[in-house]
Amino acid sequence: GNSVTQMEGPVTLSEEAFLTINCTYTATGYPSLFWYVQYPGEGLQLLLKATKADDKGSNKGFEATYRKETTSFHLEKGSVQVSDSAVYFCALSPSGNTGKLIFGQGTTLQVKP
Amino acid sequence: NAGVTQTPKFQVLKTGQSMTLQCAQDMNHNSMYWYRQDPGMGLRLIYYSASEGTTDKGEVPNGYNVSRLNKREFSLRLESAAPSQTSVYFCASSDLAGAYNEQFFGPGTRLTVL
Repeated sequence: GNSVTQMEGPVTLSEEAFLTINCTYTATGYPSLFWYVQYPGEGLQLLLKATKADDKGSNKGFEATYRKETTSFHLEKGSVQVSDSAVYFCALSPSGNTGKLIFGQGTTLQVKP
Repeated sequence: NAGVTQTPKFQVLKTGQSMTLQCAQDMNHNSMYWYRQDPGMGLRLIYYSASEGTTDKGEVPNGYNVSRLNKREFSLRLESAAPSQTSVYFCASSDLAGAYNEQFFGPGTRLTVL
């Protein structure tokens, strides 16, 4: 079946550190891949997406590349800020479906000044 | 635009009580979704409505019912609440029910069942 696995959290970094949050997936066909972010007390919002192999999604300094050969979609940012503290969810939408999202368990990021 | 709104924000129920969670979107989206969020498990889809007049089960539909009242509104009903339904519930909507389309989420309803 379809599934998403994220690295365990919480992740604690100092401001300006490099961030990587690992995400791997299992799916048939060619799913679309997403990263969503949830700030404290809020709903989720889309951070970036990629819809085919080798696509790179990017937004607000975050990047992730759709790697079909390793079934991965790792999230990276070169220099994190305190305001990036949030929970990050990797998700996939199976190809040809009605837009249902399958989420990973979420990774909490805390950035300290 | 308010986006996706949910009511109530918080609710405490006793086992066996019923309630309806309300969701509305003002983006003229066709598709709407209900998820629950539990610690360490991400979000899981309960029900979705690809378009007005249609509803389908998601991954965890047992104990829930939904109504797509019109294009704007999609409600989730718990007929007889159980402690296992203690969770945070999110409603979402998207323009089209396709694999590429961004879903927009409401702020959530935190439900506790005693």
